[in-house]
Amino acid sequence: QKEVEQNSGPLSVPEGAIASLNCTYSDRGSQSFFWYRQYSGKSPELIMFIYSNGDKEDGRFTAQLNKASQYVSLLIRDSQPSDSATYLCAVTSNDYKLSFGAGTTVTVRA
Amino acid sequence: SAVISQKPSRDICQRGTSLTIQCQVDSQVTMMFWYRQQPGQSLTLIATANQGSEATYESGFVIDKFPISRPNLTFSTLTVSNMSPEDSSIYLCSVEKAQGEYSNYGYTFGSGTRLTVV
Repeated sequence: QKEVEQNSGPLSVPEGAIASLNCTYSDRGSQSFFWYRQYSGKSPELIMFIYSNGDKEDGRFTAQLNKASQYVSLLIRDSQPSDSATYLCAVTSNDYKLSFGAGTTVTVRA
Repeated sequence: SAVISQKPSRDICQRGTSLTIQCQVDSQVTMMFWYRQQPGQSLTLIATANQGSEATYESGFVIDKFPISRPNLTFSTLTVSNMSPEDSSIYLCSVEKAQGEYSNYGYTFGSGTRLTVV
């Protein structure tokens, strides 16, 4: 499977701050990039996907993709306690198989 | 996006026995995926289940240990055979999208099966 690396956590941010999550991938042929949120004891929930270089914004979330650097990031603005979870970066290529990073645990301090 | 019903949600099993996990999708999907998430770790792909053909297994996973059925486009099962405590994990099924649906929704996961082998 493709290698996907995420910045090690845990990441602790105060409420209202920006949480920044990073991910790099080894397969230059990767085509699609996903960020999942996983609460403890729950299954992963898709929060963002991105296919093209640049930024993609959805509410408080912004995904950034740089294929030349094989890098994808997720910014969470105005972090809320409900954002406390593990965030998983995943990539896929034309085989449609998701490869996941180890995840970064985010804690938002009230 | 597709909705997946997975069961059982959890089970405690004796070593040496087998457990079959079921996933039912509310629409027809071409590919279904089975993942394992060991305690405190990320998700690892076990196999891809395609209707009408044998499942494709990832390195480190074999059919004798994890037989998979895919009798139609809405249903799949994963069996964990001859279980040992090392098989204690969460098992999840996933689909990409329904047939005919533009893939704008990413991959959906079932609610997971938490397996404990004693």
